[in-house]
Amino acid sequence: DTAVSQTPKYLVTQMGNDKSIKCEQNLGHDTMYWYKQDSKKFLKIMFSYNNKELIINETVPNRFSPKSPDKAHLNLHINSLELGDSAVYFCASSRWGQGTGSYEQYFGPGTRLTVT
Amino acid sequence: AQTVTQSQPEMSVQEAETVTLSCTYDTSENNYYLFWYKQPPSRQMILVIRQEAYKQQNATENRFSVNFQKAAKSFSLKISDSQLGDTAMYFCAFMNSNTGKLIFGQGTTLQVKP
Repeated sequence: DTAVSQTPKYLVTQMGNDKSIKCEQNLGHDTMYWYKQDSKKFLKIMFSYNNKELIINETVPNRFSPKSPDKAHLNLHINSLELGDSAVYFCASSRWGQGTGSYEQYFGPGTRLTVT
Repeated sequence: AQTVTQSQPEMSVQEAETVTLSCTYDTSENNYYLFWYKQPPSRQMILVIRQEAYKQQNATENRFSVNFQKAAKSFSLKISDSQLGDTAMYFCAFMNSNTGKLIFGQGTTLQVKP
């Protein structure tokens, strides 16, 4: 069974469109994250949710809106896509906040978004 | 603000030999975690090893070990008996336990040659 899954794995779309990426984890973790990896492979956090509440909201354009319907899911919706949004987006989850002291993050396979 | 620096953009090693990847970080926090992640061409992010800052003993996972120097804020990764499957990009990451946020270094591309 896949621990952290993302759909779709590849997404090609035109500028101005709206798209969503879905993420699900079956690890029983309370905290989920979205990261962006740019063309130079640099990874940067975008958002994190703990138990469906927004914990981290980095300097990300308002066009990006995360939604956590429950602890096992964290979706990312992007409005009015721009060329600069092309990147690989990773979802991750961890036990942070659960008091276990085991805080490593487990990543999904990534979604390669290409905006043309 | 915390920062993580990997000063070696690319490295190569012969199969079966040992290689060390460098990482330094900057923080004023006392309670944090450090990680090494591996990203092969498949782009999957794979956890290699972790180190809690409060532990003096260096972490070890099979052929992977770290040299954690807290005072120097250094966290290097040693890969022993390198294998072709170790070819990947390696990321050092810092996590403040108060926020749970991972801050990554720029990455080091490691090529293991047969």
